[in-house]
Amino acid sequence: LAKTTQPISMDSYEGQEVNITCSHNNIATNDYITWYQQFPSQGPRFIIQGYKTKVTNEVASLFIPADRKSSTLSLPRVSLSDTAVYYCLVGVADRGSTLGRLYFGRGTQLTVWP
Amino acid sequence: KAGVTQTPRYLIKTRGQQVTLSCSPISGHRSVSWYQQTPGQGLQFLFEYFSETQRNKGNFPGRFSGRQFSNSRSEMNVSTLELGDSALYLCASSIGQPTSTDTQYFGPGTRLTVL
Repeated sequence: LAKTTQPISMDSYEGQEVNITCSHNNIATNDYITWYQQFPSQGPRFIIQGYKTKVTNEVASLFIPADRKSSTLSLPRVSLSDTAVYYCLVGVADRGSTLGRLYFGRGTQLTVWP
Repeated sequence: KAGVTQTPRYLIKTRGQQVTLSCSPISGHRSVSWYQQTPGQGLQFLFEYFSETQRNKGNFPGRFSGRQFSNSRSEMNVSTLELGDSALYLCASSIGQPTSTDTQYFGPGTRLTVL
């Protein structure tokens, strides 16, 4: 089971770019990397997913180096509403695994200040 | 298209009781997963169902069980409640069979308080 390691918390100011790095040393060949965002008392919300190199959507960019042992979520020009917990996930590709489908870890609490 | 719905949103029980939580996935989604979220342990995977069959299970005691119906709706049951079962229980649905690439869509959760 590919567990992840993220910083517990990060602070930023409005308008800045935020980069959150996640370590996943035991990532399996077939695993993808997925990031979710969670606001208090709400369920997590999908942000972005990638396998290697770089992925970009309207919300964020995801950078994955060649060895895939880490990934970086980049949020351009954050606003106060981006204050949330961000989870890096590496799924278990083996459907027959009994270890659980997704390991969320503790996530990174991002606080954006005015 | 309506999102994932969970009922009830809030629940208060006492130790020793049992509880059943319900989840209705997004229309057309066939996979439903359950998670427990607590301040101390974070978000932990409970189990996942696809086509009425449990496909994956997390490291929780047998007091936690679930099932999925033919319309993909799912229920989870916790028997002999303990204080430590107080948590936010989240349900997530996805379109097809479980894979690491399958995006999960989460419901708002059920806040369970055990007294």
